[in-house]
Amino acid sequence: AQSVTQLGSHVSVSEGALVLLRCNYSSSVPPYLFWYVQYPNQGLQLLLKYTTGATLVKGINGFEAEFKKSETSFHLTKPSAHMSDAAEYFCAVRTDTGRRALTFGSGTRLQVQP
Amino acid sequence: EPEVTQTPSHQVTQMGQEVILRCVPISNHLYFYWYRQILGQKVEFLVSFYNNEISEKSEIFDDQFSVERPDGSNFTLKIRSTKLEDSAMYFCASSERTASNTELFFGSGTQLSVL
Repeated sequence: AQSVTQLGSHVSVSEGALVLLRCNYSSSVPPYLFWYVQYPNQGLQLLLKYTTGATLVKGINGFEAEFKKSETSFHLTKPSAHMSDAAEYFCAVRTDTGRRALTFGSGTRLQVQP
Repeated sequence: EPEVTQTPSHQVTQMGQEVILRCVPISNHLYFYWYRQILGQKVEFLVSFYNNEISEKSEIFDDQFSVERPDGSNFTLKIRSTKLEDSAMYFCASSERTASNTELFFGSGTQLSVL
């Protein structure tokens, strides 16, 4: 069965600093990987996804993530944090076999300090 | 922009009572899902639904839970006899296709509090 581990339940950065949110996955078959963001009092919104092809994927709001099979990682980055990026971020995985439902990590809450 | 709508946003109920959480998926989507998030824990899969039947369910989705598409627009989750541990945020989601590379669109959630 697939699983996701997000290192760091809370991350705090200064405005303008690099954002790095870590995600490692476990899957015995090729995974499809997703990052979702949840702003306060809102639903989960897709930031970006990796399915096949280019391993560096770009998403909304300047975020990007790189699929590294050798490291089983899919870390989320943004070069320069904005105050509006403060939210909870969830990494998730799906596969074509076994449990096909989207499986989430425990989430990382990003704080952006002025 | 089309969105998944959930009602109510908050629901308070007494232990042992039945609750129905309601969702209106995006209109051209055919696949529907319920997830829940207990405070401080992971977002957990409950059930997926297609063509008026359950396609997949988790260990959490036991006999006290049921789902229904009562009409052409609504998708509901019923909890027959609520327990304290059912307190959580419940998210509904929908997708156009069931392929695993397909994005799920989520609603804003219903916060269920069981007293």
